[in-house]
Amino acid sequence: AQTVTQSQPEMSVQEAETVTLSCTYDTSENNYYLFWYKQPPSRQMILVIRQEAYKQQNATENRFSVNFQKAAKSFSLKISDSQLGDTAMYFCAFMKLKFGSGTYKYIFGTGTRLKVLA
Amino acid sequence: KAGVTQTPRYLIKTRGQQVTLSCSPISGHRSVSWYQQTPGQGLQFLFEYFSETQRNKGNFPGRFSGRQFSNSRSEMNVSTLELGDSALYLCASSFPGQGLLETQYFGPGTRLLVL
Repeated sequence: AQTVTQSQPEMSVQEAETVTLSCTYDTSENNYYLFWYKQPPSRQMILVIRQEAYKQQNATENRFSVNFQKAAKSFSLKISDSQLGDTAMYFCAFMKLKFGSGTYKYIFGTGTRLKVLA
Repeated sequence: KAGVTQTPRYLIKTRGQQVTLSCSPISGHRSVSWYQQTPGQGLQFLFEYFSETQRNKGNFPGRFSGRQFSNSRSEMNVSTLELGDSALYLCASSFPGQGLLETQYFGPGTRLLVL
């Protein structure tokens, strides 16, 4: 069975600094997708960034980038120039797609609570 | 496009009662998934509906059920509520396809408190 592990329950970073959130996963699949979601306090969960496993190039979205190490099954999120609005719970998610049947399955990590300090 | 909407946003029930939560997906999205989020357990997958059929199911008791209508709106029902059912229930929708088209977009959630 697939698992997703986020080993850092809580982290803090100074405003304008860079922080990296770690995520590891376990799977025997070769085709899958990885996501980082952000859930601000009392607010909606939103997609931050996503990565196809078959792509070697790391995904980047403005200040957010990932370090995808497929062999090591690692998918860390780097936030550059941290802003107060980045304070949130961050979830790493793994999605396995079953071609043909059209079914897929999401597995989420337990989350990392990030606090950006002024 | 309007995002995923969920109603009600907050709900207080007592043990033994039943509750129905509603989710309207993003226009054009036909897949709707439900999750239970608690501080101790994180996000746990309940079930997923596509074209009015349950495609995937998590490891929850039969008290948790759902359905999807022809307009892709989905409802989740919990019968005989227990204190442990207190949680944030999240709905997520996606467009049918493959790969990143299956990216899920979440609603704001319904916070259920069981007394």
